[in-house]
Amino acid sequence: EPEVTQTPSHQVTQMGQEVILRCVPISNHLYFYWYRQILGQKVEFLVSFYNNEISEKSEIFDDQFSVERPDGSNFTLKIRSTKLEDSAMYFCASRGTVLSYEQYFGPGTRLTVT
Amino acid sequence: DAKTTQPNSMESNEEEPVHLPCNHSTISGTDYIHWYRQLPSQGPEYVIHGLTSNVNNRMASLAIAEDRKSSTLILHRATLRDAAVYYCILRVPHHGSSNTGKLIFGQGTTLQVKP
Repeated sequence: EPEVTQTPSHQVTQMGQEVILRCVPISNHLYFYWYRQILGQKVEFLVSFYNNEISEKSEIFDDQFSVERPDGSNFTLKIRSTKLEDSAMYFCASRGTVLSYEQYFGPGTRLTVT
Repeated sequence: DAKTTQPNSMESNEEEPVHLPCNHSTISGTDYIHWYRQLPSQGPEYVIHGLTSNVNNRMASLAIAEDRKSSTLILHRATLRDAAVYYCILRVPHHGSSNTGKLIFGQGTTLQVKP
């Protein structure tokens, strides 16, 4: 069964450093998402991406964040200058077509900022 | 987005049915009711969705009240693997670029399954 994959599974970085979280969505899916979950809290929407551009972003997704689909398979989330409060699980998700309802989530990347 | 209300936690015994309730009194006529679950240390996973009629799939059943102000996710025979946080989420259908299909998660219901 096709699945969303994410790398790395765990990333430790120092405050102020740039990180890139990588995701490989399900092949032929058209809609892509990033969510995050701070430990013990609810899953929060960050950004949605369609047709090579951001279609919606939340208040969390400020200028420190960016997303890119550099080729036909990868979908990345970059945090330019990490803060302690960026420590969280980051989940990538993809959805097939405009008529598809299911979002398929990856296993997540645990980001720890020290 | 319309709000949903779920109990914080529920317990069940293995191999017994589980009924997980969700209230959504401000649901609009076009909102779909979606259920996702999150197993420990994993990403959320789609379970089921519906609009007005009850729905069944291999994972669960969804019973929707006639006035659509509440719904119930039914796991027919709970297993230890069903221990997870279950989220009830309302979503408008996505048409064109005006709706991106984002999911707004609440706190969900933590289901414990006892052997």
